[in-house]
Amino acid sequence: EDQVTQSPEALRLQEGESSSLNCSYTVSGLRGLFWYRQDPGKGPEFLFTLYSAGEEKEKERLKATLTKKESFLHITAPKPEDSATYLCAVQVNTGNQFYFGTGTSLTVIP
Amino acid sequence: DGGITQSPKYLFRKEGQNVTLSCEQNLNHDAMYWYRQDPGQGLRLIYYSQIVNDFQKGDIAEGYSVSREKKESFPLTVTSAQKNPTAFYLCASSIQTLSNYGYTFGSGTRLTVV
Repeated sequence: EDQVTQSPEALRLQEGESSSLNCSYTVSGLRGLFWYRQDPGKGPEFLFTLYSAGEEKEKERLKATLTKKESFLHITAPKPEDSATYLCAVQVNTGNQFYFGTGTSLTVIP
Repeated sequence: DGGITQSPKYLFRKEGQNVTLSCEQNLNHDAMYWYRQDPGQGLRLIYYSQIVNDFQKGDIAEGYSVSREKKESFPLTVTSAQKNPTAFYLCASSIQTLSNYGYTFGSGTRLTVV
């Protein structure tokens, strides 16, 4: 069964304290892995797409990496405005649907 | 600017009442989706449509209905048969083939039973 698991559920960081969010997946065939940011009461906003193991993408303080079993979203020197829920989603080869993880709620304290 | 518009932002439903959530996109995307989001759970697929006048049930379609009469529009009706409708509903769209951007999401509708 295709499955996506994110950890931790919640993370509190001091401003400037770097850390990583994890997204592990078990799917029959990976077509792409997507990271989204979701602010309270809003729809998810696209961040990155990763397609193959070893691939990395960066955007400001965020860096996403991919292995054959998991993806990491590294946050370097976070700021309070980085506070949000980060969602991971996997698209499989057999269709156009996505499987979402439950998200990691990140709080960055000034 | 292209995007997805969901309305209303907040919706209140009385017991036994049907309500319809609107979703309109001007991205020229073929595929559209409805997801439900509950606290502590991942997004769950309700219905999706890959082409006008055609749609498929997702994982939790019971108590919901949709239509796709126009490419731009994919309204969701929450019927009285849905026993626990209080949730945050998200509409999304995508192009048919693999997109570097996955889904584009609307801003959501929060439905509350009163």
